[in-house]
Amino acid sequence: SQTIHQWPATLVQPVGSPLSLECTVEGTSNPNLYWYRQAAGRGLQLLFYSVGIGQISSEVPQNLSASRPQDRQFILSSKKLLLSDSGFYLCAWSYDSGRRNEQFFGPGTRLTVL
Amino acid sequence: KNEVEQSPQNLTAQEGEFITINCSYSVGISALHWLQQHPGGGIVSLFMLSSGKKKHGRLIATINIQEKHSSLHITASHPRDSAVYICAVSTYGGATNKLIFGTGTLLAVQP
Repeated sequence: SQTIHQWPATLVQPVGSPLSLECTVEGTSNPNLYWYRQAAGRGLQLLFYSVGIGQISSEVPQNLSASRPQDRQFILSSKKLLLSDSGFYLCAWSYDSGRRNEQFFGPGTRLTVL
Repeated sequence: KNEVEQSPQNLTAQEGEFITINCSYSVGISALHWLQQHPGGGIVSLFMLSSGKKKHGRLIATINIQEKHSSLHITASHPRDSAVYICAVSTYGGATNKLIFGTGTLLAVQP
C-alpha cells in the first residue's frame, strides 16, 4: 500500500532562518507531487506541483522554492523565512495517470515563524 | 469571489442531528472532493465524485453538475464528527490535477 510521510511535524523558526521540509511517498512510482499551504483562517492553497524528477511548477510567487531530487521525494525550502510563511504545509500525491483526480495527503507540518 | 464557496463557515449541532454542508463552485471541474481535517491538521479524503451520490456509513455526498453544487450530509451526528470539512474541486487540463479548495466548514457536535 502507499504511504506518504512528512517531517518535521512541527517547527518553530526565527525570521530570516532557512527552511527545509521533506515529503516522501512509498509504494508507488512516478507520482505527481504537490505542496499546499494553509494559512491561519484561510483555505488550502497550492504552492508547487511536480510531475517528475527535477520538474517543478510554481503556482504563486513567494519566498519558497521546491525541489524533487528523487522520484518519491519532494522538498520545500526557503533561504530566509518571513513571518508570513507561518502556516500548515501539506504534501500530497496523485497517480500520474488513470486515478489522477484523487489526491492523498500527508500528515502536514505546522510551521511557526517568530 | 472565491471559485469554491462553502456554507456555513461554522456549524454547531447537537448529537444525533442531521447535518448538511454546502459547496458551490464556479469553474469547470473533473471531480469534486470532500475532505475532513481534524484538529491536529491531518486531512482525510471522504469522497470524490463527479456525478450523482455516494454514501459511506453515516456520510452522504451529492453533486449537481448543472447547478455546480454539492452537499455533504451527516446523519445521526456524533461528537467524533467534529472537524473541519473542506470542499475541493479538480480542474481540467495539463499533465496533473490541481485542486481548488473552499475555506472549510468548522463543525462542532456537542453531546
